[in-house]
Amino acid sequence: EVQLLESGGGLVQPGGSLRLSCVASGFTFSTYDMTWVRQAPGKGLEWVSTISATGGSTFYADSVKGRFTISRDNSKSTVFLQMNSLRAEDTAVYYCAKPRGLAKHNYDSWGQGTLVTVSS
Amino acid sequence: EIVLTQSPATLSLSPGERATLSCRASQSVNNFLAWYQQKPGQAPRLLIYDASNRATGIPARFSGSGSGTDFTLTISTLEPEDFAVYYCQQRSNWPLTFGGGTKVEI
Repeated sequence: EVQLLESGGGLVQPGGSLRLSCVASGFTFSTYDMTWVRQAPGKGLEWVSTISATGGSTFYADSVKGRFTISRDNSKSTVFLQMNSLRAEDTAVYYCAKPRGLAKHNYDSWGQGTLVTVSS
Repeated sequence: EIVLTQSPATLSLSPGERATLSCRASQSVNNFLAWYQQKPGQAPRLLIYDASNRATGIPARFSGSGSGTDFTLTISTLEPEDFAVYYCQQRSNWPLTFGGGTKVEI
């Protein structure tokens, strides 16, 4: 059974930083791209970032480019999202998601989400 | 960026009725469109991928159709557990994008 467990969310002041983690199990982590998707309170889904299976390629939404960095440690089956220069509009539940297949960027497994609140 | 526009925003129906949800793309996404269901407090669940393929474990009452820019999710006979928000998502181009959602309510 695929499991994705996010952690690292919390309350942070504007301009601050947080690092989210997502530990994966139940599949061969090192062969899958991994993605972060967020959802602001009461709003829809927004793709944030994707990292390739080897970590050699990364993709970002314009809204986070230059502030967020995605990375992974395949030896620990973990993907990270380093979030710097946080803004109020970054407040959201952040989900880690696994695609349904190699380079098939639709997501058949999701974590439970971790809430990030940016507020003074 | 490919913009996905979902309609209607809200669909008010009763159990047993048929639901038809629309997703229109600002440019062709070929057939690289998926549908998700999300219930309050839960993560999204993949229903349909590549326009018309049901994901593992998804009941046959859910079906998808369309190609290019116009897509439809149909729920043939609504069950009580189907009342939720539905999102479309394209994987044709980066950045990946989602539609704004359609809420199916009683």
